[in-house]
Amino acid sequence: GQNIDQPTEMTATEGAIVQINCTYQTSGFNGLFWYQQHAGEAPTFLSYNVLDGLEEKGRFSSFLSRSKGYSYLLLKELQMKYSASYLCAVMDSNYQLIWGAGTKLIIKP
Amino acid sequence: ETGVTQTPRHLVMGMTNKKSLKCEQHLGHNAMYWYKQSAKKPLELMFVYNFKEQTENNSVPSRFSPECPNSSHLFLHLHTLQPEDSALYLCASSPGLDADTQYFGPGTRLTVL
Repeated sequence: GQNIDQPTEMTATEGAIVQINCTYQTSGFNGLFWYQQHAGEAPTFLSYNVLDGLEEKGRFSSFLSRSKGYSYLLLKELQMKYSASYLCAVMDSNYQLIWGAGTKLIIKP
Repeated sequence: ETGVTQTPRHLVMGMTNKKSLKCEQHLGHNAMYWYKQSAKKPLELMFVYNFKEQTENNSVPSRFSPECPNSSHLFLHLHTLQPEDSALYLCASSPGLDADTQYFGPGTRLTVL
């Protein structure tokens, strides 16, 4: 079966760096997405990786290793407003998104 | 604002009621999706439409009935729901069905009594 694993919850301190890991086993691979979802709001797109390596976008970076079935989302200089759930999703060979259950990130002052 | 709107934002209904959820996208996309999001569970894809035609129905019970009159509007008609159907229902759209980013609406929080 297809499976996406990510930690259920993480806690970090304001101003620090946090890395949220995602491992996957899917039927085919057409890219990996990271979304941010604040409570009661729409998931919003953060990043897309289809090739191995690191993609940097300001305070957010995403890394992919296809051979290891592994990705991480790196958040730098954490701000309180980054407290949210972070969803990892992989697009399979049928171009369907397979979703993880999300990682709830709690940021403390 | 993501360019995808959903109404209502909250809905409480009894098991015998009939109600409809509405989604509208202002992005000029051709594909639209319905997802179910339950607490601490992955998003579950329910239906996919591409150019108004249904391309995916992920074994969804018939008490959920989608309708897509045009590429900008998507409805989910609800009838005789069960308490376990209580969840956040998210609509999304994308330019096409390939490796395109999906843009989500804020969802409808549904409670079935």
